Amino acid sequence: SAVISQKPSRDICQRGTSLTIQCQVDSQVTMMFWYRQQPGQSLTLIATANQGSEATYESGFVIDKFPISRPNLTFSTLTVSNMSPEDSSIYLCSVEMASGRRYEQYFGPGTRLTVT
Amino acid sequence: RKEVEQDPGPFNVPEGATVAFNCTYSNSASQSFFWYRQDCRKEPKLLMSVYSSGNEDGRFTAQLNRASQYISLLIRDSKLSDSATYLCAVNLNYGGSQGNLIFGKGTKLSVKP
Repeated sequence: SAVISQKPSRDICQRGTSLTIQCQVDSQVTMMFWYRQQPGQSLTLIATANQGSEATYESGFVIDKFPISRPNLTFSTLTVSNMSPEDSSIYLCSVEMASGRRYEQYFGPGTRLTVT
Repeated sequence: RKEVEQDPGPFNVPEGATVAFNCTYSNSASQSFFWYRQDCRKEPKLLMSVYSSGNEDGRFTAQLNRASQYISLLIRDSKLSDSATYLCAVNLNYGGSQGNLIFGKGTKLSVKP
């Protein structure tokens, strides 16, 4: 597995503002993902962060609300824009690592966001 | 019907007990299956990948039943440290790049002394 770090670990933000979350991996990885885990809910994939090209968003998530950068193979950012209380959630990045002939996903420690 | 369903629990068991969780999935085209463990206020940690023949890792055994579209996790000789929420996840891709992991809401396990 990889060592994955996220910044900030938590934040309290006012509605209407934006927050950028950073995800750093200690090794080069092809695939990085951003998930959201709302209180009492399962993890939901927001988007796949593609290195050198635009992120691929899942249904219900749009680039204007969740812009993503992936400047290299060890780093990605997710911005939560124009926040509302409904954006209060844990945001997690994950990376995909090869395990034999298969691939497995490992998660960063998460960013706990509260929007007031 | 939700894509991945789990009994939310909680499962309250004494130390040393054997406990089993099931997870059902709706998409018969699902190919890859996983169990994650999530401690309170922590990130999910991969516990086991689930192979078609079933697999075992110490006290943990995972099984896949494609005909009935469910995976199971058996924990033997439960320890206090096994207390956590167990998430199952499925993906449509076999072997290769996983892409979208679809998670259940998790089953909470509490092991008591």
